[in-house]
Amino acid sequence: IAGITQAPTSQILAAGRRMTLRCTQDMRHNAMYWYRQDLGLGLRLIHYSNTAGTTGKGEVPDGYSVSRANTDDFPLTLASAVPSQTSVYFCASSGDTNQPQHFGDGTRLSIL
Amino acid sequence: RKEVEQDPGPFNVPEGATVAFNCTYSNSASQSFFWYRQDCRKEPKLLMSVYSSGNEDGRFTAQLNRASQYISLLIRDSKLSDSATYLCVVNTSGTYKYIFGTGTRLKVLA
Repeated sequence: IAGITQAPTSQILAAGRRMTLRCTQDMRHNAMYWYRQDLGLGLRLIHYSNTAGTTGKGEVPDGYSVSRANTDDFPLTLASAVPSQTSVYFCASSGDTNQPQHFGDGTRLSIL
Repeated sequence: RKEVEQDPGPFNVPEGATVAFNCTYSNSASQSFFWYRQDCRKEPKLLMSVYSSGNEDGRFTAQLNRASQYISLLIRDSKLSDSATYLCVVNTSGTYKYIFGTGTRLKVLA
């Protein structure tokens, strides 16, 4: 079934550790996004990529990095995790930047 | 003022009722509009795009009012399975910037 796959589903991580959240899509969408969702705040954009080879910063990029080596993959890395990065992370993609987004199942990350 | 605002609810309605949600946006350059539903601890799922002339998909009707800068979602004949949080999303055409509302919770009661 076509769509977006995120891994892991959930993770508990010690503060200071490095962590990479994986995201893969098979819809050949140009644009991909990473959001975090926290209670009462809605979804906030961390980083985005309009096309393979390009990335940009969203609303809350600090402490996160991304890469887009190819169309399908868009990993999100926390270089040194902090407790405030405890959240639910969603990866999304869209055919273009004004088309509806499609979301992965999410990764629940707890930083202790 | 938030760029996209929604009444958080919850809206508690009986089965079979008609319920409507509004969502206001502040950027007059916004071009694309969407409604998503999100079930507890799940990913947002596209419910429908919102077109300028309004559009309908079964029991769901979406409207856009550019003059007053709001979009609406009407649900007719509510089902228990409609219980969810409904997210309004606004995009300025050609940009990566999709602005999400914080959602309106709907509870359909038996």
